[in-house]
Amino acid sequence: DQQVKQNSPSLSVQEGRISILNCDYTNSMFDYFLWYKKYPAEGPTFLISISSIKDKNEDGRFTVFLNKSAKHLSLHIVPSQPGDSAVYFCAASGANFGNEKLTFGTGTRLTIIP
Amino acid sequence: KAGVTQTPRYLIKTRGQQVTLSCSPISGHRSVSWYQQTPGQGLQFLFEYFSETQRNKGNFPGRFSGRQFSNSRSEMNVSTLELGDSALYLCASRQAPNEKLFFGSGTQLSVL
Repeated sequence: DQQVKQNSPSLSVQEGRISILNCDYTNSMFDYFLWYKKYPAEGPTFLISISSIKDKNEDGRFTVFLNKSAKHLSLHIVPSQPGDSAVYFCAASGANFGNEKLTFGTGTRLTIIP
Repeated sequence: KAGVTQTPRYLIKTRGQQVTLSCSPISGHRSVSWYQQTPGQGLQFLFEYFSETQRNKGNFPGRFSGRQFSNSRSEMNVSTLELGDSALYLCASRQAPNEKLFFGSGTQLSVL
């Protein structure tokens, strides 16, 4: 049972435009969410996170939005740059983050078209 | 600070063999987690160790095991390899609870 779902395996966006990556979850106990970015032949690197007490967190070009009632979060990248081309993983954790494993989605491959 | 180091980077084994993967966490990090990445499945959690104790375990068969040493280094062992075990195995470390994970580059295991 996939508790964290990224329904779009791939996404192509023109350079300079906004990239929106989506993630849905089913476990209502999740209350901490993260986005990781992965380049080929490298491990995932942390991008941005959000706690369930917030509905938005921003870090430079990256903004994560959380809609708890819909169990949905999204990552916005604006403006998109060629270096943003990578696989993006959404991850979620329970109330006791330190003792709970991270549950990852299947990833979305983002391609930025110059 | 050096990042999470995983060895070897690539490994080719045949069915029925066993394999041991190694992970050195970031200095000062006491928690080490292992994940399996396969195409279409994302990252599947294997287990997490903290101060040499297994704290969490994923839904993998008993052929998958791990351990952590007093210096926080960790090893993962897979016995009686199957074709379906071919995957990228990622190790991640963190300093303490409520900290984000830092990943290594992974070990790409191919089972023939």
